[in-house]
Amino acid sequence: GQQVMQIPQYQHVQEGEDFTTYCNSSTTLSNIQWYKQRPGGHPVFLIQLVKSGEVKKQKRLTFQFGEAKKNSSLHITATQTTDVGTYFCAPGSGGSNYKLTFGKGTLLTVNP
Amino acid sequence: GAVVSQHPSRVICKSGTSVKIECRSLDFQATTMFWYRQFPKQSLMLMATSNEGSKATYEQGVEKDKFLINHASLTLSTLTVTSAHPEDSSFYICSARRQLLDYGYTFGSGTRLTVV
Repeated sequence: GQQVMQIPQYQHVQEGEDFTTYCNSSTTLSNIQWYKQRPGGHPVFLIQLVKSGEVKKQKRLTFQFGEAKKNSSLHITATQTTDVGTYFCAPGSGGSNYKLTFGKGTLLTVNP
Repeated sequence: GAVVSQHPSRVICKSGTSVKIECRSLDFQATTMFWYRQFPKQSLMLMATSNEGSKATYEQGVEKDKFLINHASLTLSTLTVTSAHPEDSSFYICSARRQLLDYGYTFGSGTRLTVV
């Protein structure tokens, strides 16, 4: 599968602060998916980005795909304690059942 | 949405014994399922791709004789950890996707394996 670098590895914020995690690839990606894993839980699909420069929003979450399709970001506005978890990016190489591999993830903790 | 059921959720076994983990797609057929392993505070590492009716494809470094995968039907894949040792203790999790319906993969709830 594709290799990506995800930063930061950890992020601790005060509730209400913003949070951003970045996912960078050395090669052009077909698409990228984002997942959230709560502590002790399993990954849950958040979104897929496909188009160059694409921006998608889900309430307080904003996802971006770079123009060159080599990087992506997830931004959370005004974090809440429910946002706690590890956020993973998962690069796609195309195809109907491509192998889903994950970046190392960013663990977000939120201080109430 | 798609549902993937995984059992058992937790298992403790003695060193040298084998453990079978089941992964079922409840409301869709899955010709392909994926098995991952996750160590504490680490990312999910893809172990193998389970293909219905054919042999599984293992990732580099994963022992196929130790981690037996069987995908005998369109809704069931099993992972058997044979002759388990303490270093096999981990969180094992499967995933599948409803082709043509979903972009994302649905994950089972995972199996926490502890080998004592």
